[in-house]
Amino acid sequence: EAGVVQSPRYKIIEKKQPVAFWCNPISGHNTLYWYRQNLGQGPELLIRYENEEAVDDSQLPKDRFSAERLKGVDSTLKIQPAELGDSAVYLCASSLRQGPYEQYFGPGTRLTVT
Amino acid sequence: GNSVTQMEGPVTLSEEAFLTINCTYTATGYPSLFWYVQYPGEGLQLLLKATKADDKGSNKGFEATYRKETTSFHLEKGSVQVSDSAVYFCALSDAAGGFKTIFGAGTRLFVKA
Repeated sequence: EAGVVQSPRYKIIEKKQPVAFWCNPISGHNTLYWYRQNLGQGPELLIRYENEEAVDDSQLPKDRFSAERLKGVDSTLKIQPAELGDSAVYLCASSLRQGPYEQYFGPGTRLTVT
Repeated sequence: GNSVTQMEGPVTLSEEAFLTINCTYTATGYPSLFWYVQYPGEGLQLLLKATKADDKGSNKGFEATYRKETTSFHLEKGSVQVSDSAVYFCALSDAAGGFKTIFGAGTRLFVKA
């Protein structure tokens, strides 16, 4: 069974530029998560989807971040414009459904904003 | 709100040493507790979990017991190997928090041969 796929693995951009991250969850997983992980910290939830519906986006900085999950499968997270403080690892995870269940994580995208 | 506190790293041990990584939590409800591990260059993966008080989660020689009275979920292993070198994250999730998973800051473990 294929795991959670993310691309790109690394991205370096200048501040004020846009950037997008893509995630393909495990087949059949209804719940998809985007996390941000700063250096030396644990993952922090940005947004959680249940199928194509965003059920928790309270931590998503909506002035510059946007996300979508078309058809309840793949998802894209976008930042426009990027700021220096956005440098972090962006993790995608999926689970069968929402609740206290195991989450399966992708390898992450390391973003560097210069 | 919910929170997780785990011991700061790095923790450096010799092979076959005993490992303890402390984790305490604050939760408004009755959380499920998790330990995730992140090996170099890989994504986080679930190591073990416990869903109610006094439950013991175990996997790959690692164990953790859900202690409600001390709000703790300490990770232990009797004899570590070099291949256990990784970052370990304690986490919780509960219905009162909308099943939002809260992670600790992580503890890096180095095991020397």
